[in-house]
Amino acid sequence: SQTIHQWPATLVQPVGSPLSLECTVEGTSNPNLYWYRQAAGRGLQLLFYSVGIGQISSEVPQNLSASRPQDRQFILSSKKLLLSDSGFYLCAWSIRFNEKLFFGSGTQLSVL
Amino acid sequence: GIQVEQSPPDLILQEGANSTLRCNFSDSVNNLQWFHQNPWGQLINLFYIPSGTKQNGRLSATTVATERYSLLYISSSQTTDSGVYFCAVNQAGTALIFGKGTTLSVSS
Repeated sequence: SQTIHQWPATLVQPVGSPLSLECTVEGTSNPNLYWYRQAAGRGLQLLFYSVGIGQISSEVPQNLSASRPQDRQFILSSKKLLLSDSGFYLCAWSIRFNEKLFFGSGTQLSVL
Repeated sequence: GIQVEQSPPDLILQEGANSTLRCNFSDSVNNLQWFHQNPWGQLINLFYIPSGTKQNGRLSATTVATERYSLLYISSSQTTDSGVYFCAVNQAGTALIFGKGTTLSVSS
């Protein structure tokens, strides 16, 4: 069966520091991968998606970037965090683009 | 873009009660999904239901695509059903748009 791993669960970082969040999927090949952010108002916003290795699409301009160095690995990064980057970050995968999505357990990021 | 409205925003139930959550969307869609987010933040996919009716245990969902709405039914609610229920839709080739969710609290 397929599983998705996301870490760390919580992270407290100072403003201006770098960020790297990692997500891996097991049990499937060539998954579609997604990074979402959930702000305090509960809504989920798509940040990036990837349909294959090295293919990254960005949905909103921001201080973050994403990379997919391996088929089942998706990384969310920032060179310098801003206060506004705080939030709950969720990685997700699907077999076909934007069809049934499965989410990781999330990372609560606090930028202080 | 498509607007997704969920109602009610908040719902409080006693254990054993039934409930219906609604999702309205403003345009035709290719895809509709229901998710449950538990109090620890984990999002679980409940249904992938662009049209028709599906059932999974005490939960069932119906999407009437021509009338642009979907309903999620929870029967004999349990405290473990508490959390936020999200509806998400998209058109072909576009990102999933999430509603703001319905927060359900079930007390024993």
